[in-house]
Amino acid sequence: GAVVSQHPSWVICKSGTSVKIECRSLDFQATTMFWYRQFPKQSLMLMATSNEGSKATYEQGVEKDKFLINHASLTLSTLTVTSAHPEDSSFYICSPQGQLREQYFGPGTRLTVT
Amino acid sequence: DAKTTQPPSMDCAEGRAANLPCNHSTISGNEYVYWYRQIHSQGPQYIIHGLKNNETNEMASLIITEDRKSSTLILPHATLRDTAVYYCIVSQDDYKLSFGAGTTVTVRA
Repeated sequence: GAVVSQHPSWVICKSGTSVKIECRSLDFQATTMFWYRQFPKQSLMLMATSNEGSKATYEQGVEKDKFLINHASLTLSTLTVTSAHPEDSSFYICSPQGQLREQYFGPGTRLTVT
Repeated sequence: DAKTTQPPSMDCAEGRAANLPCNHSTISGNEYVYWYRQIHSQGPQYIIHGLKNNETNEMASLIITEDRKSSTLILPHATLRDTAVYYCIVSQDDYKLSFGAGTTVTVRA
């Protein structure tokens, strides 16, 4: 399968600070990137969809000014959690779209806001 | 609205086949059936997908009923490393995957 990396794998930050999460597709070009988050003991929830070079489309209830998504190239997308609060603590997972209809997923980034 | 229904949990014995059912009675003609699994604290892993025909790869087999209202994922020889949450998802061409609660599969020695 395709190789997807996320950095950092875990991060602890103070309330009010911003955190950037990087997602790289290492061996294929991802024209579309999905970002999910997963709270403890819950399933994955889609946050937003981005196409390379375009603005992201956010799911209902997800604040676009709080979760900034940049899809600058076909191999890199970033999610920035601005002014993080404890309720933003979650497992964030990127998912680049491959060419054969399968959806690849990154290993996830665990964010803890104190 | 839930598009798929899966049992919340199931146990299976190591070395035996694990058959995971999924109901998707409202599936439309252009929707694929996808299976993913998520091992604790990791990102989901793609297993297999299909439209109408049965599919097999190195990980599993996917059996889709003729009316496409249900499917079964078969892990032919379950190992302890197959313990995970398994998600059955139906999706249209936009590839937007919506995850339900999945089935927590526990493989026991």
